[in-house]
Amino acid sequence: DAKTTQPPSMDCAEGRAANLPCNHSTISGNEYVYWYRQIHSQGPQYIIHGLKNNETNEMASLIITEDRKSSTLILPHATLRDTAVYYCIVSRGTASKLTFGTGTRLQVTL
Amino acid sequence: DAGVIQSPRHEVTEMGQEVTLRCKPISGHNSLFWYRQTMMRGLELLIYFNNNVPIDDSGMPEDRFSAKMPNASFSTLKIQPSEPRDSAVYFCASSLAGIAYQPQHFGDGTRLSIL
Repeated sequence: DAKTTQPPSMDCAEGRAANLPCNHSTISGNEYVYWYRQIHSQGPQYIIHGLKNNETNEMASLIITEDRKSSTLILPHATLRDTAVYYCIVSRGTASKLTFGTGTRLQVTL
Repeated sequence: DAGVIQSPRHEVTEMGQEVTLRCKPISGHNSLFWYRQTMMRGLELLIYFNNNVPIDDSGMPEDRFSAKMPNASFSTLKIQPSEPRDSAVYFCASSLAGIAYQPQHFGDGTRLSIL
């Protein structure tokens, strides 16, 4: 599975959009991009995934560049409850096996 | 609906003792995953099952660790004998494996401390 690179930490003001970048320059054609987050001392929570088209659900939007070498997770209106570690994962098919990296620690502040 | 249920939530025991962690997946899910999380190594996949059959156990650290899934609604992760370096949070997750991607749903974890 392709390796991902994320900034270790980011800050965002409450009510503003949080844009979390992820680089995956070695991604293969059949690999998907998945995003999970982990709020302190809880189990990880699925957010969104995509292959090459942009995706949106009730939690977030996922923007994947045309060459698929990077992507951005967008939380349109961040709240304090969005403070968490966000993991970008690249994996094949139905992703039975997810490899979690170190993620980005997002701190949402008043 | 009930999510993934893990027990116990916390376990403190002395080294050398046997430890058994339990997991009840979401009803109807056919894939089950065991993860371990530590500060040093982050979140690691230990083993996963499809339809109660172990598919990939390459993450199991050594022979002291074993996992079973006797039926679709129950799995155990056993450590015997336990060592202080096994101290970690152990998560169980389940999903519905198929053609389309179905996310993994995680339990609240078992915080294990080996003294």
